[in-house]
Amino acid sequence: EVQLVESGGGLVQPGRSLRLSCITSGFTFGDDAMSWFRQAPGKGLEWVGFIRSKTYGGTTEYAASVKGRFTISRDDSKSIAYLQMNSLKTEDTALYYCTRGRRLVVGGTLLFDYWGQGTLVTVSS
Amino acid sequence: DTVMTQTPLSLSVTPGQPASISCKSSQSLLHSDGKTYLYWYLQKPGQSPQLLIYEVSSRFSGVPDRFSGSGSGTDFTLKISRVEADDVGIYYCMQGLHLPPTFGQGTKVEIK
Repeated sequence: EVQLVESGGGLVQPGRSLRLSCITSGFTFGDDAMSWFRQAPGKGLEWVGFIRSKTYGGTTEYAASVKGRFTISRDDSKSIAYLQMNSLKTEDTALYYCTRGRRLVVGGTLLFDYWGQGTLVTVSS
Repeated sequence: DTVMTQTPLSLSVTPGQPASISCKSSQSLLHSDGKTYLYWYLQKPGQSPQLLIYEVSSRFSGVPDRFSGSGSGTDFTLKISRVEADDVGIYYCMQGLHLPPTFGQGTKVEIK
C-alpha cells in the first residue's frame, strides 16, 4: 500500500524558514518523481514544485510564486522527500501535500496519483 | 500558465441522479505522444485530494465505474452516472501537460 506522510508544519514568523518532510512507503521511491502541492485555507489547489527521479536527472521545477525561496530535495536511501521553505510570506500559509509523480510511459508527463494527508504551515507574526 | 475553467462551480444532486462537470483549458492538452494529460480529482470533506480519472478517461485504481471522463483537446467532462452520498466533495480538473500544472477552480457537489 502506497503511503505518504508529511510532517514539519507549524507556526512560523514571516521571513523565517521551515522544512517539511514526506516519508513514503509501499513503492520504489527512487523510480518516481515527488511533488508538493498546497491549499490555502478555503481555497483551491496549487502546485508548488516537483523533483524528478534520478533516471530523469533528479532535476526540479517550481511554481513562479515560490521559485528562489523553496527547494525540493530527496533522499532515495530513506524514501523521503523534503520541501525547504525560506523567506516565508504570509501568503504561503496553507496545507502542504506531498504526492508521488508517476510517469506512465517513457517521456510522458507526471501523474500525481497518491497524496499524503498534508501538513499545515501558518506564517504569521 | 494554462487556465482551467470549470462549470458549474456548485451542483446539488438527488441521489441516484446523474451529474456532469465541464472543464475547459486555455490551450490544448494533447501531447505529441498522442495522450491528453487531463486529470480529475475529488477532495472529500476534510480529506486530501484523490485521483479519479487520468488521461481524460482512464479510471484510477478502485474508482467506481459510475465515474467516467470524456473530451479532447481543450474541452472535457466528468460524469457521474448515479450520484451517491459518498460522492460529495469538491471536484477538480487538472492539466499535467504544460508547466506549471494547473487546476480548475473546483466544483462543489452536494446531495439534495
